[in-house]
Amino acid sequence: DTQMTQSPSTLSASVGDRVTITCRASQTISSWLAWYQQKPGKAPKLLIYRASTLESGVPSRFTGSGSGTEFTLTISSLQPDDFATYYCQEYNSESQTFGQGTKLEIK
Amino acid sequence: QVQLQESGPGLVGPSETLSLTCTVSGDSVSSSSNYWSWIRQSPEKGLEWIGYIYYIGTTKYNPSLRSRVTMSVDTSNNQFSLRLSSVTAADMAVYYCARGYGVFDQWGQGTLVTVSS
Repeated sequence: DTQMTQSPSTLSASVGDRVTITCRASQTISSWLAWYQQKPGKAPKLLIYRASTLESGVPSRFTGSGSGTEFTLTISSLQPDDFATYYCQEYNSESQTFGQGTKLEIK
Repeated sequence: QVQLQESGPGLVGPSETLSLTCTVSGDSVSSSSNYWSWIRQSPEKGLEWIGYIYYIGTTKYNPSLRSRVTMSVDTSNNQFSLRLSSVTAADMAVYYCARGYGVFDQWGQGTLVTVSS
């Protein structure tokens, strides 16, 4: 199984900050990685797929990068609507494993 | 606008079979372009992909659940379904249906399933 590890688990930041979330895979997954945003009581929302392709309608302040085993999600200038939990997910293996999540909190 | 809606019992007894249905609007489960998945989320295990079904009935399941999972598709009602047998407390979770395999671009709102006698 491919394990996905996100860091940090919690991130405190302010509106306007630039933040980066890291996701590491236990084995190489090429660029088969997606990022999701989830708000309390809601389903996850797709932000980025194939490591760096922005889903239609997602603001350009969200950027994904990386390949192989290390990936990052960067939000260039935090907006109030961005405070949520973020998950990475690999789709290289049979299990399609998700990371444990990074909760982005208001400082 | 694509919408997915889960339905089914919110309470299942231990060792019983969990059954959920996802009704799709704004898209067709018969489309050759899409796969239809089930994903669950619990505090203990986080987000876990359960499996997918394709309109012709092809399925693929997460190896960790393969022995207990069955999925089916009902093209006449634009629905697809999940059955999970021999449930335990570890199967208590919010269950989501979603469009896609690998990349899940549309999700239902989720339904909480509790396992209790």
